[in-house]
Amino acid sequence: AQTVTQSQPEMSVQEAETVTLSCTYDTSESDYYLFWYKQPPSRQMILVIRQEAYKQQNATENRFSVNFQKAAKSFSLKISDSQLGDAAMYFCAYRSATRGGADGLTFGKGTHLIIQP
Amino acid sequence: KAGVTQTPRYLIKTRGQQVTLSCSPISGHRSVSWYQQTPGQGLQFLFEYFSETQRNKGNFPGRFSGRQFSNSRSEMNVSTLELGDSALYLCASRRDATNEKLFFGSGTQLSVL
Repeated sequence: AQTVTQSQPEMSVQEAETVTLSCTYDTSESDYYLFWYKQPPSRQMILVIRQEAYKQQNATENRFSVNFQKAAKSFSLKISDSQLGDAAMYFCAYRSATRGGADGLTFGKGTHLIIQP
Repeated sequence: KAGVTQTPRYLIKTRGQQVTLSCSPISGHRSVSWYQQTPGQGLQFLFEYFSETQRNKGNFPGRFSGRQFSNSRSEMNVSTLELGDSALYLCASRRDATNEKLFFGSGTQLSVL
């Protein structure tokens, strides 16, 4: 079974600075997807960024980028120019590429990101 | 385009009762999945439905069940409620089984007293 570990229960960053959230995972599969989701107080999970394991190039979405290290099974999220609206719980998630992802997402426990004004 | 809609937002039940939660996916999405979120266990996959068929189920007892209708709307049912079933239940939809982009609703907060 796959596992996802987020070792930072809480992180704090000054507005406009850069912060990196860590995520490691364990799997025996070679083909999979990795995600970062954001959950603000509204509780709705919002997809921040996605990475296909077969792609060596790190995904980027505006101020959000990842550092994907497949051999190390590491998938960190970097948020540049942090904004107050970035404050939320961030979840790292894994999805197998086999069986059309029918096994669902495996989530980490989350990192609570605080933005200091 | 409307997002994923879950009803009700909040629900209070007592032990032993049963409950039904509803989820309307984004228009055109044929796959619906359900997740349970608790402070202790975090987010856990319950099941996924595609074209009215359950594709897989997570490690949950038989008291948890679901179904999907021909219009892709889905319901999940929990029978014989236990205190430990108190959780936020999140529904997510995606266009089809080959699309990895999941869109989540805001969840139903279930409290079992």
